[in-house]
Amino acid sequence: GDSVTQMEGPVTLSEEAFLTINCTYTATGYPSLFWYVQYPGEGLQLLLKATKADDKGSNKGFEATYRKETTSFHLEKGSVQVSDSAVYFCALRLSGGYNKLIFGAGTRLAVHP
Amino acid sequence: NAGVTQTPKFQVLKTGQSMTLQCAQDMNHNSMYWYRQDPGMGLRLIYYSASEGTTDKGEVPNGYNVSRLNKREFSLRLESAAPSQTSVYFCASSEEKGAGGGNIQYFGAGTRLSVL
Repeated sequence: GDSVTQMEGPVTLSEEAFLTINCTYTATGYPSLFWYVQYPGEGLQLLLKATKADDKGSNKGFEATYRKETTSFHLEKGSVQVSDSAVYFCALRLSGGYNKLIFGAGTRLAVHP
Repeated sequence: NAGVTQTPKFQVLKTGQSMTLQCAQDMNHNSMYWYRQDPGMGLRLIYYSASEGTTDKGEVPNGYNVSRLNKREFSLRLESAAPSQTSVYFCASSEEKGAGGGNIQYFGAGTRLSVL
């Protein structure tokens, strides 16, 4: 069935380090892909998205490229800040049908000064 | 600038008690959703409402009922709470009724529910 797999956390980094959070997916058709972020005590917020192969989503210094050949949508940031500490969710939306999101398990990121 | 508002933020129930989680959105969105979030499992869809007057089951509907009261409000009811329903519940909304690419879902801050 359709699914999203994320790297297990927690990921612990020092400020200004490079971040990669891996995400791979299994889906039929041509899904749209999303990264959501959940800050402590808050709901999920959309961080970035990509709707077709080779699209690059970007926001707040984060980037992810929709790679259909490897069914991946890895999240990267060149220099993390303490304020980036949060849980990051990769998600897909199947093409056609209703707007159903399938989420990965989430990856907790902790950034230390 | 409220977006999606959920009440209550926290709730403790005893096994067998009932309660209703409330959700309201002020973005004039057609579709609304209820998810539960459990450790290590991401978010799972309980029920959704593609448009006012319609509701459908998601991935984990057992033990829950929903009501789409009007376009703004979508409530989730636990008739007889069980410890397995201890979770964080999120409501979300999105603009489009159905098919379409890249539709964004907007989430509330969540309700943390403990069932003893």
